[in-house]
This record gives sequence, structure tokens and C-alpha cells, in this order.
Amino acid sequence: DTAVSQTPKYLVTQMGNDKSIKCEQNLGHDTMYWYKQDSKKFLKIMFSYNNKELIINETVPNRFSPKSPDKAHLNLHINSLELGDSAVYFCASTPRFLREGRPGELFFGEGSRLTVL
Amino acid sequence: AQRVTQPEKLLSVFKGAPVELKCNYSYSGSPELFWYVQYSRQRLQLLLRHISRESIKGFTADLNKGETSFHLKKPFAQEEDSAMYYCALLSGGYQKVTFGTGTKLQVIP
Repeated sequence: DTAVSQTPKYLVTQMGNDKSIKCEQNLGHDTMYWYKQDSKKFLKIMFSYNNKELIINETVPNRFSPKSPDKAHLNLHINSLELGDSAVYFCASTPRFLREGRPGELFFGEGSRLTVL
Repeated sequence: AQRVTQPEKLLSVFKGAPVELKCNYSYSGSPELFWYVQYSRQRLQLLLRHISRESIKGFTADLNKGETSFHLKKPFAQEEDSAMYYCALLSGGYQKVTFGTGTKLQVIP
């Protein structure tokens, strides 16, 4: 009954490859996010989707393409991977309205550790 | 643009000592602030939010609009408090949550 789940947990790949990370939440939340946590543990927002619609795009290189097939899923595809993409990527969700819970309270996945060689 | 600052990367305290993790913010609107915690090998989770004015695991945080601060405090540190702590700010209608750079709390037995 995991609330926010990400796959894979670990990903090791070569520079130049393309990879995807998947995220699913079963909390019924409208809003989902991707965050990047670098080696210094800085946590930076990348994207946010509200009910399948992109609402935040934080000047992320366009090699990163999020996709939300429905409001419970938010996937992240990365093209032409670079060394600097090595990080832990966190998916999170939050309710949008009070009737769904407490807006702004983020529920995180366990993270997907990407290592680019 | 909103900004959250946590000046300390690492804070080491002895068990039983008081703890204060600093957080300052800048935001032109009405801020909503949170503290999140990441224990070793666990996912990030909410610790507390200023609106609730609650105490969780002995931690409290008061929003000081004059000083634009939201420091996290606990009177007596426990070993199990050792973790990474992030201050976060919710802004705007787009539900953007901006995190500070995090402070690693190390409680020495």
C-alpha cells in the first residue's frame, strides 16, 4: 500500500544513453513533482504537474521530458545522459484542495539513484 | 522569487543538549513554511508545518515574519534525531515548494 512509488530505485548507465524513471501515487492527489537531489543533498524542483498539465518547469534542460499519462502517474525521460545528471531523483505528490488533504504537504517516493558513467 | 536559506550544513550536538536548526526565507507573499526530515535510508517526510502550530517528536518551529525566520527547535536532542532536515516554503497558486539546502543534524551519544 505504498503511497508514492518510483521505479527503478537504482539506475547505472553510460553517458549518452536515454533512460526513464516512473512514478505512481495512489493517494488521489492532483499535483505531482520531480525533484533532483545532488551530491551535496541540495533538493531542487524540476517539474510540477497538476492533473496531467505541466505547471512548473524550472529551466531544466530539454533533454529532460516529463510525461503524465494520468493524474496518478508522472514519468521522467532523460535523453543523452551526461555525467552531471547523476543524482537522486524524487517524485512527490500533494493534494490541491483541502477536501483532499493538506495542500502543500508533499508525499515523497523513495528516490531513484541515477549514476551516469 | 522565493528563497529559503539554511546557513548550517552540519550541526553536531550532544545527546540531551538543545537543538536549533536555522531557516530564513524571502518571499513577497504570505509564506507557508514546513520542515521536512530525511532519516538514513528513508524517504523525505513532513515533520511539521507552521500553520498547524504543533509539536512533533518534541520539535517546534515558530514563524517570525519580522525576522523572516522559521527556526526548528528541540530542548533535548535524542540520538534518533540524527537526520537531514530541510526547511521548505510553499508559494503561489501553483503549489511550488522550494527547499533550503538542508542541515545535517548529528547527535553525539
